[in-house]
Parts: sequence; structure tokens; C-alpha cells
Amino acid sequence: EVQLVESGGGLVKPGGSLRLSCTASGFTFSTYTMNWVRQAPGKGLEWVASISSSSTYIDYADPLKGRFTISRDNAKNSMYLQMNSLRGEDTAVYFCVRDDYPLGTFDIWGQGTKVIVSS
Amino acid sequence: QSVLTQPPSVSGAPGQRVTISCTGSTSNIGAGYNVHWYQQPPGIAPKLLIYANNNRPSGVPDRFSGSKSGTSASLAITGLQAEDEADYYCQSYDSSVRGWVFGGGTKLTVL
Repeated sequence: EVQLVESGGGLVKPGGSLRLSCTASGFTFSTYTMNWVRQAPGKGLEWVASISSSSTYIDYADPLKGRFTISRDNAKNSMYLQMNSLRGEDTAVYFCVRDDYPLGTFDIWGQGTKVIVSS
Repeated sequence: QSVLTQPPSVSGAPGQRVTISCTGSTSNIGAGYNVHWYQQPPGIAPKLLIYANNNRPSGVPDRFSGSKSGTSASLAITGLQAEDEADYYCQSYDSSVRGWVFGGGTKLTVL
């Protein structure tokens, strides 16, 4: 079964850091571009970052550049999101998403991990 | 304010047909980038519904269809069923922001 499982979410104080992980199974992870997408409480979907299969190409949503870092380890079938200088507006469910490049179709989604930034 | 504009809500009775619009601009839909649609039932992760404007992944009923024209796209749902109640999102690429953009989402209520 094709599956993405996120972990690492939790409660963090403003200004703090958190590292999210996504573990893939059921498909050849190393051949797919991957993304993080977030959803604030009661709000819509927001693309966060993208990383190509060999980490050659990395993109971020402009407002998040400089604070968030996406990475992957194909040997571990895993992707990561390092989040620094966290703010209240970063509170959201963070989804790990497979990208059917070059269509740009987000065809497989994880269940999400919740991040709460609060003092 | 989302780059792609969707109506906040639509509704219809069981068996009816509804459409959800997604309005963009010349830097995204109008530039020829594909539009994709996702369905998100309450409390559940989104699921791909339509890809590349008008294609259904396997397992998606043919009651769901997509179209694109100019700077806009639409999702049509025929034969509405109670299980179709969900939030629906359109997605495309935007060359101005150089990234993937989503519509604000449309809540479908089956009366």
C-alpha cells in the first residue's frame, strides 16, 4: 500500500524550532518529487515547500523562505521539514505530499501532523 | 486572499448537479498551467479528485468532471450524494509567485 506517515508535530513556543518527518512506503520514494502543504485551523491549503527526487531543486513559498528548510534522505525513504523562528501563524496541520512531476499533481497525501505554536 | 478564487460555499439537493468555479489570472491558469482538484471531507486529508484539468484518477466516479477555459476552471458534480459533502480545492502553478497555489476552498453542502 502506498503510504506517507508524518511525525514530529507538537506544541512549541514562539521563536522555537521543530523538525517534521515523513516516511514513505509502498512506492519508489527516490524517484518522486515531494512537498509539504499546511492547513491552518479552519483555513485552506497552503503549499510550503518542494524538493525534487535527488534534492537538486528546492523551492519554498516566499513568506517562508529563510525560516523553513526542506530535505530528504532517499536511503531512509524519508523527507524532513526543519522549522525555525516559529510564529503563531505557523500553527497548522502539516501534510507530506507526493508530487506526480511534471504534472504537479499532488497524488498521495499523508494524514498530517499538527503543529501548535503558543506560549 | 488566495491567488485562485473559489466561491466559499455551494449547495444542492441529492441527485442534482453543482459546479464550483476557480478563477485565476494570466500568471497561472491563463498561462496554460494545469488545474487540479482535491476533495477534503471533514477531519480527513485531501484526496486527488481531478488532475490536469479534466482527468479522473482511477476510483473516482465519473460523476466528477473538470474543465478549463481561459483564466478559469470548473469542477462539476452530477447526481449529488450525501457522501460528496466536503471541501473542494483547486490548485495550479503560478509564475509570479513561482510556486504552487491553491484556491481558498469551497464547502459543498448536500441538502
